[in-house]
Amino acid sequence: AQKITQTQPGMFVQEKEAVTLDCTYDTSDPSYGLFWYKQPSSGEMIFLIYQGSYDQQNATEGRYSLNFQKARKSANLVISASQLGDSAMYFCAMREGNSGYALNFGKGTSLLVTP
Amino acid sequence: AAGVIQSPRHLIKEKRETATLKCYPIPRHDTVYWYQQGPGQDPQFLISFYEKMQSDKGSIPDRFSAQQFSDYHSELNMSSLELGDSALYFCASSSTGVHQETQYFGPGTRLLVL
Repeated sequence: AQKITQTQPGMFVQEKEAVTLDCTYDTSDPSYGLFWYKQPSSGEMIFLIYQGSYDQQNATEGRYSLNFQKARKSANLVISASQLGDSAMYFCAMREGNSGYALNFGKGTSLLVTP
Repeated sequence: AAGVIQSPRHLIKEKRETATLKCYPIPRHDTVYWYQQGPGQDPQFLISFYEKMQSDKGSIPDRFSAQQFSDYHSELNMSSLELGDSALYFCASSSTGVHQETQYFGPGTRLLVL
């Protein structure tokens, strides 16, 4: 069964607008971590933001914030003030357990920022 | 800051040949992971090492093997290559005990099997 679901294969957003990328997850482990990565067309996998299952507050990193709704098992990425350079594939991933475990990735959302 | 180093960046092989991919983790990171990302796919976990011991195993074919050396670099050995092995291979590293234990990815090795 898919542990990470990203329901938006592709999205458009205009420059300077905010955009939300959806991610829902499935786990019975009380301890887990949620990550968002950005993959530009060049191929590298860039870490953006992390949310731990016990974190009380939503994570923020510059223009990125994570809307964490634990009861709904969702961890949506919000990008504020979109820039052309934000055009990329975005992956949501989950690590179950306390440490040293592999990441399960969603299928990704392709974001295109238009002028 | 130092990042994960992977070599080679690109590799072209014929079917049934062997390939060796190398990974140098971020200094002081004790865990290394290998992922395979097929065209248009999400990364799939292959195998991981903690302090030079295999710690977790995913969907790694029997034709593949990996190890981590005393200097913490890791190598992924791939034998009897098949067309379907053409993919982007990532190495990632993390540091156990650091709260987030974020996995930082290298630039990847693009393998093309002809």
